[in-house]
Amino acid sequence: DGGITQSPKYLFRKEGQNVTLSCEQNLNHDAMYWYRQDPGQGLRLIYYSQIVNDFQKGDIAEGYSVSREKKESFPLTVTSAQKNPTAFYLCASSESSGSYNEQFFGPGTRLTVL
Amino acid sequence: SQQGEEDPQALSIQEGENATMNCSYKTSINNLQWYRQNSGRGLVHLILIRSNEREKHSGRLRVTLDTSKKSSSLLITASRAADTASYFCATDGWGSNYKLTFGKGTLLTVNP
Repeated sequence: DGGITQSPKYLFRKEGQNVTLSCEQNLNHDAMYWYRQDPGQGLRLIYYSQIVNDFQKGDIAEGYSVSREKKESFPLTVTSAQKNPTAFYLCASSESSGSYNEQFFGPGTRLTVL
Repeated sequence: SQQGEEDPQALSIQEGENATMNCSYKTSINNLQWYRQNSGRGLVHLILIRSNEREKHSGRLRVTLDTSKKSSSLLITASRAADTASYFCATDGWGSNYKLTFGKGTLLTVNP
């Protein structure tokens, strides 16, 4: 059963804590992406990775970090430096990084800062 | 700034009617994609249209692209209650062909 999974579905964080959001895909896709979605808003790109062991900052990378040690995994860490982290986080993957590829999305993680 | 902007922000129709959503963008593109998002879920790809194409169909979906006006429209015919969702256009841009930029979406409500 191929797809892209994210965990946890809901995450609560105290101010000052770092948290890591998991994203795994078994589609054998080279490219992976992290987006942030705020209520009533579109998606904003945080980081993307075109290939394993490589990643680039998106439009709103400050306060976030990623790694891409394995093709199937692209975890996102929300650090204490991110001033307003409460949001819905979406991970996506595509066969390659060209914009002619459709992106497959996971179900999302809703992060709330207490 | 947002590359794509959808219009209207919200649309409410009756089952069986057609729904039209529009997307405008600012800079030249290679491709434009439409996605659908059910409340609280991930996005699902609907259709991709290339800059040299003017119209594409997929089932009850019809997408048009007018590069001279920098705009696209998504038409859903014979709508169903299950079509209730947010619809987003996503554009790339010359020099940024690795990234998609999403608009804020149109919230479509189809009343039974």
